[in-house]
Amino acid sequence: GQQLNQSPQSMFIQEGEDVSMNCTSSSIFNTWLWYKQDPGEGPVLLIALYKAGELTSNGRLTAQFGITRKDSFLNISASIPSDVGIYFCAPRANFGNEKLTFGTGTRLTIIP
Amino acid sequence: EAEVAQSPRYKITEKSQAVAFWCDPISGHATLYWYRQILGQGPELLVQFQDESVVDDSQLPKDRFSAERLKGVDSTLKIQPAELGDSAMYLCASSFNRGKGYEQFFGPGTRLTVL
Repeated sequence: GQQLNQSPQSMFIQEGEDVSMNCTSSSIFNTWLWYKQDPGEGPVLLIALYKAGELTSNGRLTAQFGITRKDSFLNISASIPSDVGIYFCAPRANFGNEKLTFGTGTRLTIIP
Repeated sequence: EAEVAQSPRYKITEKSQAVAFWCDPISGHATLYWYRQILGQGPELLVQFQDESVVDDSQLPKDRFSAERLKGVDSTLKIQPAELGDSAMYLCASSFNRGKGYEQFFGPGTRLTVL
């Protein structure tokens, strides 16, 4: 079966620092999604990528769909306290309404 | 802004008891998903509905779990009997099904604790 690796597993940073995380897979995907989950809440969609090589921004967040279609990264610039949470990549093989396969998550903690 | 509603938010039960979770998707979303998220892991799909029909329940433990969406709108997920290993967050998501409107929007989840 497909393997989906998300790294790092956790990050401890100071407010104002930039953050970078990525997902790699053994399989090719046609859509890469990035979600953020706060404690005790459901995941919230941050960015959706539909084309290999695509670079998309949402405020301080930037994500790219890898050329090989097997990876994606998410960057957060100038982190703020509300960025704390768990970030999941969730690629999809097709463009339709099929299930998402979630990565293992990157837990972001901001040190005072 | 339209949201996916779930209830209850928290449920504590004893093993061997029955539990039920309810989800109301975003209005107009034909596709509804139930995911289970074990602490420290990403969500995993249990069942997917297209309108009132099940399109994927391959990961649903059918000996104890059941799900229905009788009128193609809201949905109920039931566990009977609950086991200790069922303790998890149960998430409902919905999506439209045209163009790029396939993206899934999640509700706040139901946190189940089985004692």
